Order: sequence, then C-alpha cells, then structure tokens
Amino acid sequence: GENVEQHPSTLSVQEGDSAVIKCTYSDSASNYFPWYKQELGKRPQLIIDIRSNVGEKKDQRIAVTLNKTAKHFSLHITETQPEDSAVYFCAASNWMNTGFQKLVFGTGTRLLVSP
Amino acid sequence: EPEVTQTPSHQVTQMGQEVILRCVPISNHLYFYWYRQILGQKVEFLVSFYNNEISEKSEIFDDQFSVERPDGSNFTLKIRSTKLEDSAMYFCASSEGAGAEKLFFGSGTQLSVL
Repeated sequence: GENVEQHPSTLSVQEGDSAVIKCTYSDSASNYFPWYKQELGKRPQLIIDIRSNVGEKKDQRIAVTLNKTAKHFSLHITETQPEDSAVYFCAASNWMNTGFQKLVFGTGTRLLVSP
Repeated sequence: EPEVTQTPSHQVTQMGQEVILRCVPISNHLYFYWYRQILGQKVEFLVSFYNNEISEKSEIFDDQFSVERPDGSNFTLKIRSTKLEDSAMYFCASSEGAGAEKLFFGSGTQLSVL
C-alpha cells in the first residue's frame, strides 16, 4: 500500500521568511496530493491540492510542486505570518473518478513562525 | 460555507463500554469516512461508506467497529467494547462524489477510554 514520508517534523522560521515542507510517496499510482493545515485541537483544513497531471499550483502565498518521476511533492509558504503556525499534513491517494477517496497522510510538520 | 459537524466534541468512557460517535456530513455529499488521530501521530483512515455500505476499511477497523447511516443525514461510528488504545481524536469526513476529490473533515470527537 501507499506510504507517505514527510519532513521536517518541525520547522521554525522568522516572520516574512519562506517555509518548505517536503513529502515523498511510494505508490506510483497515486494521483492526488492535498495539503491540510491543522491548528491545535481543530479539524484538518484543506489549504491546497494538486493532481498528478499538474506540476505546480499556486494560491496566493501558498504553492505546491509535484515531481512524479521522483515521487515527491512540496509545500511552499512565502512571506510567513504568525497565523501560519500550525501542523501541516501532506497526503496522497489514488483517486478514482468514481468519487471514492482514501487519503494516506504523512506524519506532519509543526511550523512555528516567530514574530 | 457548509461544514461537517460532529458530536460530541469530547467523550469519556470506561474500558469495555460502547460508544457512538455522530456526524452530519455536508448535505449534498455522497461519500463518508471516518479517520482517527492518536495524539501526536498522523491521521489514519478507518473506513469509507457509500450507498449504505462500506466501500473499504483498514486493518484498524475490526469487528469492534461499525458504521451506520440511520436516517439519511447522520453518519455514526460505533465502538462496541472500547479499549484503552481506542483513545484518539476521531474525524468524520465527506466528499461530494464522482468527479470531486476534495475531502472535508469535521472538527472531531476526542475519545478518552479510561
């Protein structure tokens, strides 16, 4: 089955710096890669996602890149702000157009943005 | 914006007791899921449910677990005889269906088994 590795486990940056979180996956059939942000005690919230037919996607300060050959994908946050502090999870799935979705999550990265 | 809602937010139970965790998925969604997260660990898939039957379940989802959609709006997870290791945050999630890959999570039920 799919296995997703994520690093670093913790990341501390200064406000305004960029942050990069990296994930690798094992199953070449995986075709959908979402990123979730989870604040302490709250639900995981989808912040950006990418399908395997796209190499990069950007949404304001957040971008995700995908390298299918190397089986890795990364989350890039620019101009970080203290409210970006949270745990970020990457995930992968072999999403079928039938609608069923089973996500395999990485172990999470705790991002701390210091003012 | 529509949200997945879960009740209760916290549940404390004695080992061996039955618990039912409740979820109301987003109203036009067709696929429903339970995931769990043990403190400090990754979110893990438990089960998916579509058209009133289980689509897939993980190794975690043993005979002590069951799911049900009793009334067309609620989606429940029952643990028949809780164990200490069942203590975790349980998240319900839903997705729209064919053609839509995004999964939306509820705010979770923190289950503590004593």
